[in-house]
Amino acid sequence: AQSVTQPDIHITVSEGASLELRCNYSYGATPYLFWYVQSPGQGLQLLLKYFSGDTLVQGIKGFEAEFKRSQSSFNLRKPSVHWSDAAEYFCAVGAGRDTSGTYKYIFGTGTRLKVLA
Amino acid sequence: DTGVSQNPRHKITKRGQNVTFRCDPISEHNRLYWYRQTLGQGPEFLTYFQNEAQLEKSRLLSDRFSAERPKGSFSTLEIQRTEQGDSAMYLCASSKTGSTEAFFGQGTRLTVV
Repeated sequence: AQSVTQPDIHITVSEGASLELRCNYSYGATPYLFWYVQSPGQGLQLLLKYFSGDTLVQGIKGFEAEFKRSQSSFNLRKPSVHWSDAAEYFCAVGAGRDTSGTYKYIFGTGTRLKVLA
Repeated sequence: DTGVSQNPRHKITKRGQNVTFRCDPISEHNRLYWYRQTLGQGPEFLTYFQNEAQLEKSRLLSDRFSAERPKGSFSTLEIQRTEQGDSAMYLCASSKTGSTEAFFGQGTRLTVV
């Protein structure tokens, strides 16, 4: 079955510290993988995505993620966290695809990030 | 481009009442999606439209739920005879055909009392 697991419900880091959010997926074919961020009262914003090619992908706001097929993982990283990064982060796999693109995403349960000043 | 717009932002209703939400996608986006997000969970796929055609519906979308996109522009999601279990955030998203990136609205938070 297709699924996404985010094992960490909450993570707290100090401002300026590095960050890694874990994501594991289960998908039969080559996955399309995404990271979204959701701030309170806001919709989901795409941080980055992976389809193929270079397994290290760069996104907005200084985030990057690395696809590791052998570990079925797509962890999100940032070298130095800013207070404005406090939000909820969702990993997703593109589970429904047709010739016109991806139309269905399966999301993980999210990781809530708290940043200490 | 003003983004995906959802109305209302909040809705409180009594159990058994009907509610309707509206989603205005980004113009020229011919794909439109509805997701539901409950507390502590990630968004769950409900349904999606390619123009005015509803192409897939999740098993989560019971008979009390109906979605329409009559002219291939805005969409409505109606819940009939609401139940407390329907309390959730309902998210709408849109994308262009061929794109893998969906743009999400801010959601409609439904509370059934």
